Amino acid sequence: EAQVTQNPRYLITVTGKKLTVTCSQNMNHEYMSWYRQDPGLGLRQIYYSMNVEVTDKGDVPEGYKVSRKEKRNFPLILESPSPNQTSLYFCASSLYRGNQPQHFGDGTRLSIL
Amino acid sequence: GEDVEQSLFLSVREGDSSVINCTYTDSSSTYLYWYKQEPGAGLQLLTYIFSNMDMKQDQRLTVLLNKKDKHLSLRIADTQTGDSAIYFCAERARDGQNFVFGPGTRLSVLP
Repeated sequence: EAQVTQNPRYLITVTGKKLTVTCSQNMNHEYMSWYRQDPGLGLRQIYYSMNVEVTDKGDVPEGYKVSRKEKRNFPLILESPSPNQTSLYFCASSLYRGNQPQHFGDGTRLSIL
Repeated sequence: GEDVEQSLFLSVREGDSSVINCTYTDSSSTYLYWYKQEPGAGLQLLTYIFSNMDMKQDQRLTVLLNKKDKHLSLRIADTQTGDSAIYFCAERARDGQNFVFGPGTRLSVLP
């Protein structure tokens, strides 16, 4: 089954404790991206990747890191999480061709205390 | 930069038609999408339209594109309670590098 898988689905942690949210897709997609969703702000892109070893900043990259060592995985790293990073996070992937829509994971709800 | 705007809320009665509107700013956008998000779930693609089309129909869904005004709409015929969700408009620029989403319209269907 074609899917984008994020882990964990829910996490409560404390300020400053490094965390990683994993994202994996099984569709051989070149393009992957991370979004955060906040009430009234919709989805804002954090980082995206056009292919292996190619990553670019989105609209709100501060406080986040990503890596793309393999095509299927695109982890999101919070080196020193802060309360303003409490949000709902989505990973998405697509083929790198203009009309191809993104496929989304089910989301990860992070609470930083 | 690109910007996508939508009204945040819409309420309709069951059986009526719903029209969700979206405006975008990037004239180079080639593909425009509608996604649906149900509570506790990720975004699910509903439909998309290429920028050289005016209209696309898919069962109860009709997408209208006015490229001159940069206005996109999604019409849901015979709206049902299961259509209650947040609907996101999104554009993808010609270079294919970036998707930009609107803030989402929360559709409430009243019995």
